[in-house]
Amino acid sequence: ELKVEQNPLFLSMQEGKNYTIYCNYSTTSDRLYWYRQDPGKSLESLFVLLSNGAVKQEGRLMASLDTKARLSTLHITAAVHDLSATYFCASEPGAGNMLTFGGGTRLMVKP
Amino acid sequence: DSGVTQTPKHLITATGQRVTLRCSPRSGDLSVYWYQQSLDQGLQFLIQYYNGEERAKGNILERFSAQQFPDLHSELNLSSLELGDSALYFCASSVGSRDGYTFGSGTRLTVV
Repeated sequence: ELKVEQNPLFLSMQEGKNYTIYCNYSTTSDRLYWYRQDPGKSLESLFVLLSNGAVKQEGRLMASLDTKARLSTLHITAAVHDLSATYFCASEPGAGNMLTFGGGTRLMVKP
Repeated sequence: DSGVTQTPKHLITATGQRVTLRCSPRSGDLSVYWYQQSLDQGLQFLIQYYNGEERAKGNILERFSAQQFPDLHSELNLSSLELGDSALYFCASSVGSRDGYTFGSGTRLTVV
């Protein structure tokens, strides 16, 4: 059974600081997704990582994938309050099509 | 607007009742997926349909069922509702099995 674990589960940080969210998955994965969710809202797609060594950046967020270590990271650079949200990683193990989500990381950025 | 439409947005119902949640996928998307998000279980995959056919099943209770119609919209039926069924139910769609997913805004179900 595929398991996806994120850490930390909760992260409180000051504006301007850097931090990394980690996502470990237990079996071989075709793709790794990162989503953002604001309270009570839908899931907004941030990144899709397709292969080993993939790195994608959008604004203050950068995601990477190491398929050998079964690890993806979401790095936050110089955090701002608007980044406060819950971030989920999700693994798509292959042709099975469904996503298995991590437990989410609730990020609070304090002014 | 993601292009995936879910109705209703909110639903309050009593234990033992039956409800139907509806999802219209993004134009051109053939696959529909249903997920449940609850505080204790997190985000869990329930079921997938592709062009009208059931493709994959996850942790879906026997009290729950779904279908996808010829116009590609999908319905998730929840029956004999229990308090623990209270959750946010998301629908997602994609063009095919490997083309990424677009999520709807969800239906918040409260069972009282």
